[in-house]
Amino acid sequence: EIVLTQSPGTLSLSPGERATLSCRASQSVSSSYLAWYQQKPGQAPRLLIYGASSRATGIPDRFSGSGSGTDFTLTISRLEPEDFAVYYCQQYGSSPTYTFGQGTKLEIK
Amino acid sequence: EVQLVQSGAEVKKPGESLKISCKGSGYSFTSYWIGWVRQMPGKGLEWMGIIYPGDSDTRYSPSFQGQVTISADKSISTAYLQWSSLKASDTAMYYCARLLKGHGAFDIWGQGTMVTVSS
Repeated sequence: EIVLTQSPGTLSLSPGERATLSCRASQSVSSSYLAWYQQKPGQAPRLLIYGASSRATGIPDRFSGSGSGTDFTLTISRLEPEDFAVYYCQQYGSSPTYTFGQGTKLEIK
Repeated sequence: EVQLVQSGAEVKKPGESLKISCKGSGYSFTSYWIGWVRQMPGKGLEWMGIIYPGDSDTRYSPSFQGQVTISADKSISTAYLQWSSLKASDTAMYYCARLLKGHGAFDIWGQGTMVTVSS
């Protein structure tokens, strides 16, 4: 079973700054099957990135995804006030399995 | 508009049964897998299982196999998650979500159903 480890656990930044969130897999993950989600308090998760680097419908271009193999990154180029939330990575594997990372909380500094 | 609308919050006692629902609209419900995801209070996301409403092919996470039953009624574009005997540890928010074809990601999410199990 693939385990996804996200770092840092909490990231404290100010609006306008750049955010870099990491997701590391215990085994190689196909880039086609790595996704990122944003979840705000009291809301359902929202798909941001799929296929490691493709933005979902309606997602601003300040959000970008990159990486391959076991190391993936979500970058928010310039933080807006509405971007402070919890972010999860997720992978799809055979059987099937859908595994989520434990999340990174992005908070206002 | 493509959307998934879930049934309302539930408060149950341990040992009771429960079936919650997720109704799809705005797209071909039978052509996309629907997954269920648990989020315990203050915790992360856990995948429970997935169903293809077109033929009711169902797969479960090993962690949830035998603990819940996932089903669908394609005639009313609705998927279900049910328990035969609830436990306090089933207290959580439950989300249904549509699987984006070809990428193993969930692109449309329901608003969530909060299940509280307490004596």
